Amino acid sequence: EAQVTQNPRYLITVTGKKLTVTCSQNMNHEYMSWYRQDPGLGLRQIYYSMNVEVTDKGDVPEGYKVSRKEKRNFPLILESPSPNQTSLYFCASSLQAPPNTGELFFGEGSRLTVL
Amino acid sequence: KQEVTQIPAALSVPEGENLVLNCSFTDSAIYNLQWFRQDPGKGLTSLLLIQSSQREQTSGRLNASLDKSSGRSTLYIAASQPGDSATYLCAVGQSTGFQKLVFGTGTRLLVSP
Repeated sequence: EAQVTQNPRYLITVTGKKLTVTCSQNMNHEYMSWYRQDPGLGLRQIYYSMNVEVTDKGDVPEGYKVSRKEKRNFPLILESPSPNQTSLYFCASSLQAPPNTGELFFGEGSRLTVL
Repeated sequence: KQEVTQIPAALSVPEGENLVLNCSFTDSAIYNLQWFRQDPGKGLTSLLLIQSSQREQTSGRLNASLDKSSGRSTLYIAASQPGDSATYLCAVGQSTGFQKLVFGTGTRLLVSP
Protein backbone atom coordinates (compact mmCIF):
# COMPACT_ATOMS: atom_id res chain seq x y z
CA GLU A 1 0.00 0.00 0.00
CA ALA A 2 1.30 3.42 -1.00
CA GLN A 3 1.83 5.48 2.10
CA VAL A 4 3.76 8.11 4.00
CA THR A 5 4.55 7.04 7.55
CA GLN A 6 5.39 9.42 10.35
CA ASN A 7 6.60 8.62 13.85
CA PRO A 8 5.83 9.39 16.56
CA ARG A 9 2.17 10.32 16.07
CA TYR A 10 2.03 12.02 19.45
CA LEU A 11 4.83 13.42 21.57
CA ILE A 12 5.06 15.57 24.68
CA THR A 13 8.51 16.87 25.46
CA VAL A 14 10.24 19.64 27.38
CA THR A 15 12.06 22.73 26.20
CA GLY A 16 15.54 22.03 24.94
CA LYS A 17 15.33 18.25 24.64
CA LYS A 18 16.36 17.29 21.10
CA LEU A 19 13.87 15.22 19.15
CA THR A 20 13.46 13.73 15.70
CA VAL A 21 10.24 13.07 13.82
CA THR A 22 10.76 10.42 11.18
CA CYS A 23 9.07 10.30 7.79
CA SER A 24 9.25 7.47 5.31
CA GLN A 25 7.53 6.93 1.95
CA ASN A 26 7.34 3.74 -0.08
CA MET A 27 6.47 5.24 -3.47
CA ASN A 28 9.97 6.12 -4.73
CA HIS A 29 8.97 9.80 -4.72
CA GLU A 30 11.61 12.42 -5.42
CA TYR A 31 9.92 15.29 -3.61
CA MET A 32 9.32 15.36 0.14
CA SER A 33 8.24 18.19 2.37
CA TRP A 34 7.46 19.05 5.98
CA TYR A 35 4.56 21.30 7.03
CA ARG A 36 3.25 22.53 10.31
CA GLN A 37 -0.43 23.23 10.85
CA ASP A 38 -1.58 25.79 13.39
CA PRO A 39 -5.11 27.11 14.04
CA GLY A 40 -5.88 30.14 11.89
CA LEU A 41 -2.57 29.90 10.03
CA GLY A 42 -3.16 26.89 7.81
CA LEU A 43 -0.32 24.70 6.62
CA ARG A 44 3.07 26.33 6.38
CA GLN A 45 6.06 24.71 4.77
CA ILE A 46 9.12 24.14 6.96
CA TYR A 47 11.61 22.43 4.63
CA TYR A 48 11.44 20.53 1.39
CA SER A 49 13.66 18.20 -0.58
CA MET A 50 13.80 17.80 -4.33
CA ASN A 51 15.88 14.61 -4.15
CA VAL A 52 18.57 12.84 -2.15
CA GLU A 53 21.02 15.33 -0.58
CA VAL A 54 18.98 18.27 -1.93
CA THR A 55 17.08 20.21 0.72
CA ASP A 56 15.89 23.79 1.02
CA LYS A 57 14.07 26.09 3.41
CA GLY A 58 10.38 26.73 3.25
CA ASP A 59 8.48 29.56 4.89
CA VAL A 60 9.19 28.76 8.55
CA PRO A 61 12.53 26.90 8.83
CA GLU A 62 13.81 28.51 12.03
CA GLY A 63 14.48 25.97 14.78
CA TYR A 64 14.33 22.96 12.47
CA LYS A 65 16.78 20.82 10.54
CA VAL A 66 16.27 18.11 7.96
CA SER A 67 18.34 15.58 6.07
CA ARG A 68 17.76 13.44 2.99
CA LYS A 69 20.37 10.70 2.93
CA GLU A 70 18.06 8.16 1.34
CA LYS A 71 15.23 8.70 -1.08
CA ARG A 72 12.58 7.18 1.15
CA ASN A 73 13.40 9.01 4.42
CA PHE A 74 13.15 12.68 5.37
CA PRO A 75 13.48 13.19 9.13
CA LEU A 76 12.64 16.48 10.84
CA ILE A 77 14.99 17.42 13.67
CA LEU A 78 14.29 19.88 16.45
CA GLU A 79 17.67 20.49 18.08
CA SER A 80 16.33 22.55 20.97
CA PRO A 81 12.53 22.58 20.95
CA SER A 82 10.66 25.56 22.30
CA PRO A 83 6.96 25.98 23.22
CA ASN A 84 6.26 27.91 19.98
CA GLN A 85 7.04 24.70 18.11
CA THR A 86 4.00 23.05 19.63
CA SER A 87 2.04 22.14 16.53
CA LEU A 88 0.68 19.44 14.25
CA TYR A 89 3.36 18.36 11.77
CA PHE A 90 2.80 16.73 8.41
CA CYS A 91 5.20 15.07 6.04
CA ALA A 92 4.22 14.87 2.37
CA SER A 93 5.66 13.42 -0.79
CA SER A 94 5.02 13.44 -4.52
CA LEU A 95 6.60 12.00 -7.60
CA GLN A 96 7.95 15.39 -8.64
CA ALA A 97 8.19 18.80 -7.03
CA PRO A 98 5.19 21.11 -7.10
CA PRO A 99 3.73 22.48 -9.13
CA ASN A 100 4.64 19.89 -11.79
CA THR A 101 3.14 17.09 -9.83
CA GLY A 102 0.05 14.99 -9.54
CA GLU A 103 -1.16 13.92 -6.18
CA LEU A 104 0.61 15.04 -3.03
CA PHE A 105 0.53 12.26 -0.43
CA PHE A 106 0.41 13.18 3.24
CA GLY A 107 1.31 11.29 6.37
CA GLU A 108 -1.21 11.14 9.21
CA GLY A 109 0.49 13.83 11.21
CA SER A 110 2.58 14.11 14.37
CA ARG A 111 1.16 16.15 17.21
CA LEU A 112 3.99 17.69 19.20
CA THR A 113 3.66 19.49 22.52
CA VAL A 114 6.66 21.29 23.98
CA LEU A 115 6.31 22.23 27.64
CA LYS B 1 3.23 37.10 -1.92
CA GLN B 2 0.43 34.66 -2.68
CA GLU B 3 -2.39 34.56 -0.15
CA VAL B 4 -5.13 31.96 -0.24
CA THR B 5 -8.42 32.55 1.57
CA GLN B 6 -11.30 30.21 2.22
CA ILE B 7 -14.69 31.49 3.28
CA PRO B 8 -16.64 30.46 5.25
CA ALA B 9 -14.39 28.96 7.90
CA ALA B 10 -17.19 26.60 8.92
CA LEU B 11 -20.38 25.40 7.31
CA SER B 12 -23.20 23.23 8.62
CA VAL B 13 -25.82 21.75 6.28
CA PRO B 14 -28.47 19.01 6.41
CA GLU B 15 -27.89 15.82 4.49
CA GLY B 16 -28.85 15.93 0.81
CA GLU B 17 -28.06 19.58 0.18
CA ASN B 18 -25.86 20.70 -2.66
CA LEU B 19 -23.16 23.05 -1.44
CA VAL B 20 -20.31 25.23 -2.64
CA LEU B 21 -17.00 25.89 -0.92
CA ASN B 22 -14.98 28.92 -1.96
CA CYS B 23 -11.27 29.52 -2.40
CA SER B 24 -9.73 32.82 -3.48
CA PHE B 25 -6.11 33.68 -4.25
CA THR B 26 -4.37 37.01 -4.73
CA ASP B 27 -1.83 36.19 -7.47
CA SER B 28 -3.32 34.79 -10.66
CA ALA B 29 0.05 33.48 -11.90
CA ILE B 30 -0.67 29.95 -10.75
CA TYR B 31 0.30 26.62 -12.26
CA ASN B 32 -2.49 24.59 -10.73
CA LEU B 33 -4.87 24.37 -7.79
CA GLN B 34 -5.68 21.37 -5.63
CA TRP B 35 -8.51 20.61 -3.28
CA PHE B 36 -7.80 18.41 -0.25
CA ARG B 37 -9.91 16.80 2.42
CA GLN B 38 -8.72 16.48 6.01
CA ASP B 39 -10.49 14.26 8.53
CA PRO B 40 -9.96 14.91 12.26
CA GLY B 41 -6.65 13.50 13.44
CA LYS B 42 -5.69 12.52 9.91
CA GLY B 43 -3.54 13.78 7.10
CA LEU B 44 -4.74 15.42 3.92
CA THR B 45 -6.17 13.48 1.01
CA SER B 46 -6.06 14.95 -2.48
CA LEU B 47 -9.52 15.27 -4.06
CA LEU B 48 -9.08 17.16 -7.30
CA LEU B 49 -6.26 18.83 -9.19
CA ILE B 50 -7.00 21.55 -11.76
CA GLN B 51 -4.29 22.74 -14.11
CA SER B 52 -4.21 26.47 -14.90
CA SER B 53 -5.37 25.78 -18.46
CA GLN B 54 -8.47 23.93 -17.24
CA ARG B 55 -11.80 25.35 -16.14
CA GLU B 56 -13.04 22.43 -14.07
CA GLN B 57 -12.48 18.89 -12.87
CA THR B 58 -15.02 16.33 -11.72
CA SER B 59 -14.81 13.27 -9.52
CA GLY B 60 -18.05 11.58 -8.54
CA ARG B 61 -20.19 14.05 -6.59
CA LEU B 62 -17.38 16.62 -6.54
CA ASN B 63 -16.82 19.32 -9.11
CA ALA B 64 -14.07 21.92 -8.85
CA SER B 65 -13.94 25.01 -11.02
CA LEU B 66 -11.16 27.50 -11.60
CA ASP B 67 -11.32 31.13 -12.74
CA LYS B 68 -7.74 32.35 -12.82
CA SER B 69 -8.54 35.88 -13.92
CA SER B 70 -10.75 36.51 -10.91
CA GLY B 71 -8.55 34.50 -8.55
CA ARG B 72 -11.27 32.07 -7.53
CA SER B 73 -11.99 28.38 -7.30
CA THR B 74 -15.09 26.63 -6.05
CA LEU B 75 -15.67 23.07 -4.89
CA TYR B 76 -19.21 21.90 -5.51
CA ILE B 77 -20.47 18.91 -3.53
CA ALA B 78 -23.70 17.39 -4.78
CA ALA B 79 -26.19 15.58 -2.55
CA SER B 80 -24.08 15.94 0.58
CA GLN B 81 -23.77 13.02 3.01
CA PRO B 82 -22.67 12.81 6.66
CA GLY B 83 -19.51 11.09 5.45
CA ASP B 84 -18.57 14.31 3.67
CA SER B 85 -18.04 15.98 7.04
CA ALA B 86 -14.41 17.07 7.14
CA THR B 87 -12.21 20.10 6.60
CA TYR B 88 -11.63 21.04 2.99
CA LEU B 89 -8.48 22.89 1.98
CA CYS B 90 -7.42 24.39 -1.30
CA ALA B 91 -3.78 24.83 -2.27
CA VAL B 92 -2.27 26.85 -5.08
CA GLY B 93 0.78 25.71 -7.03
CA GLN B 94 2.90 28.69 -7.99
CA SER B 95 4.10 29.07 -11.57
CA THR B 96 7.20 30.96 -10.50
CA GLY B 97 9.53 31.00 -7.54
CA PHE B 98 9.31 28.55 -4.70
CA GLN B 99 8.65 24.88 -5.35
CA LYS B 100 5.70 24.72 -3.01
CA LEU B 101 1.99 24.88 -2.56
CA VAL B 102 0.29 27.75 -0.74
CA PHE B 103 -2.57 26.48 1.40
CA GLY B 104 -5.76 28.13 2.51
CA THR B 105 -6.89 27.75 6.13
CA GLY B 106 -9.77 25.50 5.18
CA THR B 107 -13.54 25.24 5.51
CA ARG B 108 -14.84 22.88 8.20
CA LEU B 109 -17.95 21.15 6.86
CA LEU B 110 -20.54 19.37 8.99
CA VAL B 111 -23.31 17.45 7.24
CA SER B 112 -26.01 16.38 9.67
CA PRO B 113 -28.31 13.39 9.07
